[in-house]
Amino acid sequence: KNEVEQSPQNLTAQEGEFITINCSYSVGISALHWLQQHPGGGIVSLFMLSSGKKKHGRLIATINIQEKHSSLHITASHPRDSAVYICAVRANSGGGADGLTFGKGTHLIIQP
Amino acid sequence: ETGVTQSPTHLIKTRGQQVTLRCSSQSGHNTVSWYQQALGQGPQFIFQYYREEENGRGNFPPRFSGLQFPNYSSELNVNALELDDSALYLCASSLDLNWGGEAFFGQGTRLTVV
Repeated sequence: KNEVEQSPQNLTAQEGEFITINCSYSVGISALHWLQQHPGGGIVSLFMLSSGKKKHGRLIATINIQEKHSSLHITASHPRDSAVYICAVRANSGGGADGLTFGKGTHLIIQP
Repeated sequence: ETGVTQSPTHLIKTRGQQVTLRCSSQSGHNTVSWYQQALGQGPQFIFQYYREEENGRGNFPPRFSGLQFPNYSSELNVNALELDDSALYLCASSLDLNWGGEAFFGQGTRLTVV
């Protein structure tokens, strides 16, 4: 079982819809990242969270440390939001560096 | 634009050959990590360098090796290439050793092994 699970794997929605992508993880973490990856590969960091909630424009990210769960929301979705959204966590490894552990991503398509 | 630059963007190699991929970190960032992303999968951690020393490694064989230079740029070297090494290779830089800070990713190098 992957340490980071995302749902849904694929999501197609109409322009303007409210989008929610979920991420659950099974390890203790020091930080959770939400990333956006467009075709061609480049990854953009959207949020880094260790608690609570962050908002940037139409994007909102929340995290519940006790439940080991995070959500990424997109309000008033637009076709340019179409991308793969990836959740990644930095585990509390107790020493040494384990890098980020990534989910498999959610492929989002927003249709006009 | 993240300030993290990878080269080359695309590369085709033959099985058994060796390859070197390069990454220039965001200015001032002293920590760089490399990841392998197979098609349709999330990235997998290869290793991390902090101030020119490897300080963490994922589940990759020794033929995957790296270097970090005094200017914090980095290389990923893969020897004896195998077909399964075909993937997108990403580097990410951070100011904070333990990733408490923001991670900035490059555009990636797409390696095809034939």
